[in-house]
Amino acid sequence: QLQLQESGPGLVKPSETLSLTCAVSGGSISSSGYYWGWIRQPPGNGLEWIGSIYYSGSTYYNPSLKSRVTISVDTSKNQFSLKLSSVTAADTAVYYCARSSAAKNGMDVWGQGTTVTVSS
Amino acid sequence: DVVMTQSPLSLPVTLGQAASISCRSSQSLVYSDGNTYLNWFQQRPGQAPRRLIYKVSNRDSGVPDRFSGSGSGTDFTLKISRVEAEDVGVYYCMQGTHWPLYTFGQGTKLEIK
Repeated sequence: QLQLQESGPGLVKPSETLSLTCAVSGGSISSSGYYWGWIRQPPGNGLEWIGSIYYSGSTYYNPSLKSRVTISVDTSKNQFSLKLSSVTAADTAVYYCARSSAAKNGMDVWGQGTTVTVSS
Repeated sequence: DVVMTQSPLSLPVTLGQAASISCRSSQSLVYSDGNTYLNWFQQRPGQAPRRLIYKVSNRDSGVPDRFSGSGSGTDFTLKISRVEAEDVGVYYCMQGTHWPLYTFGQGTKLEIK
């Protein structure tokens, strides 16, 4: 059974870079056809897709965040990562990693989420 | 960009009664392959979201058959035939037709009266 687990600092200072990792277990991140993505949820608010990476390495980003986002894959560690630069308080959120077995059908497996607070 | 609009935003329901959530898109969600990529997610309190339905009406494995999805074009509905206590949470629609951009609705909070 595929499982995803987010990890990273819970507190990031304004203007710095937020870095999170999603460890994949119960399956290979290199399996063909899968997309691996990040979604966030500000406190008390709805869901926002941040971006996704295809197993081949192609990346897709939300235009609203594209200038600040980098998603990458480390196949040797079976994990993928999110970097969000120049953060502000508006980036405070629960960050989820997720898998899509078919891009247009959305995310069929989710991590439990990790809370990131941006504050000095 | 495609805007997804849900209604109502708050839905008080009596246990055992039916519930219905509407989702409307600002553009057609019919893709060139003939499919419509409208998905529904459930987020129980304190939990991560989980997908309930994909391509308008296809239930994910393990989703009770009291959940059903319908609709076409720009208008979609999620129905729960008999609400149970475990159904409390927030429900989101999400379009995938216009990938590589996903858009979620604002969410509908279902609560028990």
